[in-house]
Amino acid sequence: EDQVTQSPEALRLQEGESSSLNCSYTVSGLRGLFWYRQDPGKGPEFLFTLYSAGEEKEKERLKATLTKKESFLHITAPKPEDSATYLCAVQGGAQKLVFGQGTRLTINP
Amino acid sequence: NAGVTQTPKFQVLKTGQSMTLQCAQDMNHEYMSWYRQDPGMGLRLIHYSVGAGITDQGEVPNGYNVSRSTTEDFPLRLLSAAPSQTSVYFCASSYSTGPGGGYTFGSGTRLTVV
Repeated sequence: EDQVTQSPEALRLQEGESSSLNCSYTVSGLRGLFWYRQDPGKGPEFLFTLYSAGEEKEKERLKATLTKKESFLHITAPKPEDSATYLCAVQGGAQKLVFGQGTRLTINP
Repeated sequence: NAGVTQTPKFQVLKTGQSMTLQCAQDMNHEYMSWYRQDPGMGLRLIHYSVGAGITDQGEVPNGYNVSRSTTEDFPLRLLSAAPSQTSVYFCASSYSTGPGGGYTFGSGTRLTVV
């Protein structure tokens, strides 16, 4: 059974304080690992798809990396507008997305 | 281009009532799915469809019914609402089920069953 575990559950940072979010996964036949951002009261917003170990993708202050067992979402010099819940999901052989519980990130000015 | 549109945004039902949550997309996406999101549980897949006329069950299908008569629409029916179905429901679509771009989500329907 495909599983995704995200840590920490919540993270509070000061503006400009860089950190990383973790997504550990087990999946049979990884077809893709996805990162989403979710703001309160809204649906998840797509950020990245990673397909194979060693792959990296960047978008503004966010950088996602992938190994065979986990993915990291690195946040460099975050701003208050980066505050959101970040969701990780995997797509395996069953073709369905399986989500982790998310990390709630708060950036204090 | 509206993306994925869900209606209603909020709904309160009494136990035993039935209702349909609407989902429509205008991106000509083949794949559509329904998720529910509960505190501490993450997003869980209810039902999904890989094309018109084709549906299948996800992780938590009991108490829900779906059909896909057109590419654009994928309604979710609650047959007899129960308090355990209080949740936020999200519809999502994608061009295909294969590797590719991310899924596009609607803004959600917040359902309360009393």
